[in-house]
Amino acid sequence: DVKVTQSSRYLVKRTGEKVFLECVQDMDHENMFWYRQDPGLGLRLIYFSYDVKMKEKGDIPEGYSVSREKKERFSLILESASTNQTSMYLCASSPSGLSYEQYFGPGTRLTVT
Amino acid sequence: AQKITQTQPGMFVQEKEAVTLDCTYDTSDQSYGLFWYKQPSSGEMIFLIYQGSYDEQNATEGRYSLNFQKARKSANLVISASQLGDSAMYFCAMRDGGAQKLVFGQGTRLTINP
Repeated sequence: DVKVTQSSRYLVKRTGEKVFLECVQDMDHENMFWYRQDPGLGLRLIYFSYDVKMKEKGDIPEGYSVSREKKERFSLILESASTNQTSMYLCASSPSGLSYEQYFGPGTRLTVT
Repeated sequence: AQKITQTQPGMFVQEKEAVTLDCTYDTSDQSYGLFWYKQPSSGEMIFLIYQGSYDEQNATEGRYSLNFQKARKSANLVISASQLGDSAMYFCAMRDGGAQKLVFGQGTRLTINP
């Protein structure tokens, strides 16, 4: 089975802190994604990567950056956390191709106080 | 730009009844894929079913089927004989031919009553 793991299920950080969210997949997928999920807004794409060291902005990249140094690992970085970044963060991976579904990690619920 | 619309924020259904969750989409591409995911209260996203734009038959996976009406740009999820365990958030998503990313709808919260 494909497995996508995220470093934390719950995280509490203070305003202004630098926050790292880690995601690892074990199926050699080319593509990896970071979403945030907020009630009534569905999942919104923050960044994605289709290859090592490659990244593209999603719909809401402001305040975030990413890093993909190895194929299996995709990190989301909040340079200076703010309260409006309190949310559920979901990582996903997929092979390339139109019909392939994305496989999701369990999510990290981040609270910024 | 792609867009997915789920117009039902919440639905309440009696156990064993069939359920239809609505999804409409907007794209100018001829080649695209439509996906449905389930998210129980535990939070994980579970892939349910996929429909390709060129597939002539509606997709089915066990109790799940996708009512694909291309001209109307709708891709409704049908759950037959609902069960208590079907209570969850359901998301419709689309990928068009040129991209690897998915665009998600706002979701529908389904509650199955005993």
